[in-house]
Amino acid sequence: EVQLLESGGGLVQPGGSLRLSCEASGFTFSRYAMSWVRQAPGKGLEWVSGITGSGGSAYYADSVKGRFTFSRDNSKNTLYLQMNGLGAQDTAVYFCAKNREEAMATMDAFDIWGQGTMVTVSS
Amino acid sequence: SYELTQPLSVSVALGQTARITCAGNNIESKNVHWYQQKPGQAPVLVIYRDNNRPSGIPERFSGSNSGNTATLTITRAQAGDEVDYYCQVWDSGGVVFGGGTKLTVL
Repeated sequence: EVQLLESGGGLVQPGGSLRLSCEASGFTFSRYAMSWVRQAPGKGLEWVSGITGSGGSAYYADSVKGRFTFSRDNSKNTLYLQMNGLGAQDTAVYFCAKNREEAMATMDAFDIWGQGTMVTVSS
Repeated sequence: SYELTQPLSVSVALGQTARITCAGNNIESKNVHWYQQKPGQAPVLVIYRDNNRPSGIPERFSGSNSGNTATLTITRAQAGDEVDYYCQVWDSGGVVFGGGTKLTVL
């Protein structure tokens, strides 16, 4: 079964840091670009970042550029989102999502999503 | 930056056809994807690349894309379709989501 499992969310103070993880199973992980998408409480979906299958290229939304770093370890089938300089505007459920089509250099449709992990930025 | 505009809400009578639009500049030149999201759950892909249904998605769901508007069409609307829908494209190094539309089935 194809599955994504996020972890690492929690409560963090403004200005703090947090690292999210997403463990994948059931597919050839290194062949697929992956993304992080977040959803603030009661709000819509916001794409955060994407990374190619090899990890050679990463893309970021303007709202997180320079603060977040997206990486992957294909030997562990795991994604990482390092989040620094967190603010209240970063409070959201963070989902990892898999590209539907393999071997793409850009983000495509997301056919598999994790259940999400909640990040709350508050003092 | 590229923007996608969806109506906040769309209403449809039970058993009738709902159409949810997604407007963007020359959107027909892009691949448009659609997601359904139930409360408290992750989104589910219902249409990819304008008009393709993933396996397991009912034939009642279809998509089109022309000019500046993409459309998700849901025929024979059911009570279970009364959730949120989002369109999505890739543009200039980033993914863009529409603001989302809540479908109400009357």
